[in-house]
Amino acid sequence: NAGVTQTPKFQVLKTGQSMTLQCAQDMNHEYMSWYRQDPGMGLRLIHYSVGAGITDQGEVPNGYNVSRSTTEDFPLRLLSAAPSQTSVYFCASGGSLNEKLFFGSGTQLSVL
Amino acid sequence: GENVEQHPSTLSVQEGDSAVIKCTYSDSASNYFPWYKQELGKRPQLIIDIRSNVGEKKDQRIAVTLNKTAKHFSLHITETQPEDSAVYFCAATGSGGSNYKLTFGKGTLLTVNP
Repeated sequence: NAGVTQTPKFQVLKTGQSMTLQCAQDMNHEYMSWYRQDPGMGLRLIHYSVGAGITDQGEVPNGYNVSRSTTEDFPLRLLSAAPSQTSVYFCASGGSLNEKLFFGSGTQLSVL
Repeated sequence: GENVEQHPSTLSVQEGDSAVIKCTYSDSASNYFPWYKQELGKRPQLIIDIRSNVGEKKDQRIAVTLNKTAKHFSLHITETQPEDSAVYFCAATGSGGSNYKLTFGKGTLLTVNP
């Protein structure tokens, strides 16, 4: 049982480039979410999904897109990377929001 | 939206002492309050959670208390050990249309000195 799998673990981008962070879970969880973690700022919600075909914005959605075509996958797209998007990104899933969230191992992203 | 304040930002204790971390939340309709532990370079992991219909919950050396009237909840760790050293995050869910948004505090770096 792999849990929540995030790829890549590290990524360096140039300003203006686009990329997709992948997230997959094999626990049949309905709820999936993306957080970014910056020093001294805790974990801030970017986007979340409560099931296939349903997504919504979190606290800091600007510059990011998501889609949920299957229960298992919830990719996060950076449309035009900016230095302010340098951060550690975590994907998390759960049976519902008011239950334990399982986090992926994180993606450390640097935008130059 | 929900706002979660967490104090202190850093906490240093001697091994065997107790540690207390406090959080306040703004949305009186919030109903779920988890605590996550994040070791250096690792992913956050749930250590304990409490729902709004319960005032206190314990799991071995860890306990959480909730005061709905004052809108605050606290994490208590007794008989601290060096392996308790980590960053601890509290969180709370919003209500109504924001019910699926889990808002985290900014974290507390706990250091347990041997």
